[in-house]
Amino acid sequence: GDSVTQMEGPVTLSEEAFLTINCTYTATGYPSLFWYVQYPGEGLQLLLKATKADDKGSNKGFEATYRKETTSFHLEKGSVQVSDSAVYFCALSRSGGNTGKLIFGQGTTSQVKP
Amino acid sequence: NAGVTQTPKFQVLKTGQSMTLQCAQDMNHNSMYWYRQDPGMGLRLIYYSASEGTTDKGEVPNGYNVSRLNKREFSLRLESAAPSQTSVYFCASSLAGPYNEQFFGPGTRLTVL
Repeated sequence: GDSVTQMEGPVTLSEEAFLTINCTYTATGYPSLFWYVQYPGEGLQLLLKATKADDKGSNKGFEATYRKETTSFHLEKGSVQVSDSAVYFCALSRSGGNTGKLIFGQGTTSQVKP
Repeated sequence: NAGVTQTPKFQVLKTGQSMTLQCAQDMNHNSMYWYRQDPGMGLRLIYYSASEGTTDKGEVPNGYNVSRLNKREFSLRLESAAPSQTSVYFCASSLAGPYNEQFFGPGTRLTVL
């Protein structure tokens, strides 16, 4: 079945460092790919998405490119801040049909120290 | 515009007790979802409702029931709570289709003793 695998955390960084969180997926067809972020004590919110191969999603300095050849959707940010400390979830949604069911990775915690 | 609201925020139950988690959205979304979040396992779909009047099982439906009361409201019921149902529960909603953003509520932290 469909699945999403993320790198283990926590990822601990200093401010202004470069952040990469790896995400790979297994799916039939052409899924849509998402990154959601969860700040402490809150629900998830969409960070960015890509709906077809080679699309790049971007938001708040974060970027991720939909790579069908490597089935990957790695999240990157060039210069992190303490406020980027959160749990990041990669997710996919199957194409077709009228449902938006998401399959999530296990989440990766990012801790940014001043 | 409150988005997705959930009640209660916290709940402690004893094994065998029942309870209903409430969820409502004011964004006129067709689709609604219930997830549980457990450490190291991400979020797993319990049940979803693609549109008013329909509900379907997700990945982990055992021990739960749902009701799509109307377009706004989607409740999750635990008939006989078990310690394995200790988790954080999130409700979400979206427009129909696989490309749309899901909007999440703040979550309910449930402990079953």
